[in-house]
Amino acid sequence: ETGVTQSPTHLIKTRGQQVTLRCSSQSGHNTVSWYQQALGQGPQFIFQYYREEENGRGNFPPRFSGLQFPNYSSELNVNALELDDSALYLCASSLRTGGILDEQYFGPGTRLTVT
Amino acid sequence: SQQGEEDPQALSIQEGENATMNCSYKTSINNLQWYRQNSGRGLVHLILIRSNEREKHSGRLRVTLDTSKKSSSLLITASRAADTASYFCATNDRGSTLGRLYFGRGTQLTVWP
Repeated sequence: ETGVTQSPTHLIKTRGQQVTLRCSSQSGHNTVSWYQQALGQGPQFIFQYYREEENGRGNFPPRFSGLQFPNYSSELNVNALELDDSALYLCASSLRTGGILDEQYFGPGTRLTVT
Repeated sequence: SQQGEEDPQALSIQEGENATMNCSYKTSINNLQWYRQNSGRGLVHLILIRSNEREKHSGRLRVTLDTSKKSSSLLITASRAADTASYFCATNDRGSTLGRLYFGRGTQLTVWP
């Protein structure tokens, strides 16, 4: 167990809908990153939040957005869902101190299916 | 886009044998990490090797890094059925967002009892 939790575990949505995924970081961690993992692929970086600010973004359209809260938990929001958004969504939390980022701990993921 | 590429894509061995997985990457890195994933669930961090290191050990795991060849290998000795999982290498690239990881497609390891 990494101490990182994600909810929900599974989710089925219809194309065009919106979805919010949640991540609770490990206690004391101030950085959270989100990844998308399509079936048979490795995880792809979506974005990272550090102290409630977006701190880097991968090659994902603006309909993928996020938030980090003062307790360092985080949300990933996806608008106008497309079939290709079906994937496992993983969050990873870590502690950043100055210019150093410690080991990242991944949550169990949320399996999103878009029909 | 993918950075690391693992080889082989799939590997089947008997319990007690050693398993070797390789990873190649394309750009300069700060570090390279190996992760394990069971049945499409969360990733478990196995080992991190920095760009100025050549070899690291952790229990039954041995990782090597050759920055001149831009490659790494993960050796699991005396494998067990419980080692059955997907194994990913991930690089943290120089000039990239701090902590951003680039993953390969993974090696599916099956260990038969």
